[in-house]
Amino acid sequence: GAGVSQSPSNKVTEKGKDVELRCDPISGHTALYWYRQRLGQGLEFLIYFQGNSAPDKSGLPSDRFSAERTGESVSTLTIQRTQQEDSAVYLCASSPGGGQAYGYTFGSGTRLTVV
Amino acid sequence: QKEVEQNSGPLSVPEGAIASLNCTYSDRGSQSFFWYRQYSGKSPELIMSIYSNGDKEDGRFTAQLNKASQYVSLLIRDSQPSDSATYLCAVPGRSARQLTFGSGTQLTVLP
Repeated sequence: GAGVSQSPSNKVTEKGKDVELRCDPISGHTALYWYRQRLGQGLEFLIYFQGNSAPDKSGLPSDRFSAERTGESVSTLTIQRTQQEDSAVYLCASSPGGGQAYGYTFGSGTRLTVV
Repeated sequence: QKEVEQNSGPLSVPEGAIASLNCTYSDRGSQSFFWYRQYSGKSPELIMSIYSNGDKEDGRFTAQLNKASQYVSLLIRDSQPSDSATYLCAVPGRSARQLTFGSGTQLTVLP
């Protein structure tokens, strides 16, 4: 696609429910990243995919968080048993490759509210 | 020491002035540096990248890199109210696999 597409744009869920957030990167971009941004805060790295593998999961805050990527394309971030502290904007980004050479293109994000 | 540090601001400049945004980083091995602009309620947008010491100009924007001193700056000439946003500096993290972002500097350009 022309840009990074994320869905849904907004999600309100009850505490304890599971949610799935989707990211469709720019076509041909092999690297895909998930970040979290709490209100008024900076970007917090969650996970990085190169192709379908995730060489760096170091940012996932707990085992309630998981992510997968299939077909070197769409990625899904799943949060199980959501907590109120999970409320944030979840941003997906893609780049032509991993490493240091490329800047990222971000999607418009999914705003998650846990009530 | 944080990997990437920025003055949080807020920074206010009058319209037409030069806005100067600064960023320092801790990893001497970093090879690439990025500036992002984030409007309120929107996602970050890449506006500049720089890889070599010195200046890189793109329109009203100039990025400056000094690897010896481990800082990178962004100058915005002839600032406009539409430049009012949070500016994020990004540097590869220690693993060099993802970018680490600074906390951002909030810029307001006053008409």
